Amino acid sequence: GAGVSQSPSNKVTEKGKDVELRCDPISGHTALYWYRQSLGQGLEFLIYFQGNSAPDKSGLPSDRFSAERTGGSVSTLTIQRTQQEDSAVYLCASSFSREGPQHFGDGTRLSIL
Amino acid sequence: AQKITQTQPGMFVQEKEAVTLDCTYDTSDQSYGLFWYKQPSSGEMIFLIYQGSYDEQNATEGRYSLNFQKARKSANLVISASQLGDSAMYFCAMRPRDDKIIFGKGTRLHILP
Repeated sequence: GAGVSQSPSNKVTEKGKDVELRCDPISGHTALYWYRQSLGQGLEFLIYFQGNSAPDKSGLPSDRFSAERTGGSVSTLTIQRTQQEDSAVYLCASSFSREGPQHFGDGTRLSIL
Repeated sequence: AQKITQTQPGMFVQEKEAVTLDCTYDTSDQSYGLFWYKQPSSGEMIFLIYQGSYDEQNATEGRYSLNFQKARKSANLVISASQLGDSAMYFCAMRPRDDKIIFGKGTRLHILP
């Protein structure tokens, strides 16, 4: 499809394991955002990529969280040594430019047992 | 500091009535964008409407309009002739000129039959 694609849609893992979440933005979109959303809550900003600029990592909650964006396209969010409080929906969004509206993926629902 | 405030955590409105969802923002930038998103219970984030800070007319998209009052720094969303399908979480967002987009905490709208 032409939208933002996230995988997996659901992930259940044991505490202490590492997880990788993938985001495939809309082709040609230069901006890419990762957010975390707990049940019934608002969006918590994690990280922002804009073109070839250094990413804005100011929202990452701890050094267990990291993200990459390869070739200005696909992004991977990695959470190491997962904790139960990491359980949430992780949303990815992209936009054509810094100014444009964001288009969101359907999210990855992460559950840490 | 950049800030978005949505003061209504929840609202109940009778079907077919008009709804106004409040949003105020704070920024020192002269150029910025304002957005509204809808998040139904299914979880996807749907872009509704955009207003640029230099746009002289209020943005409209179908039943959605944005009541932009620049001097008061408010960007309220108006939904005309509400429908049961409008029940959802609504997020206001602002993108300052040289910074990442930020979201409000959201307003949960319930449309009553």
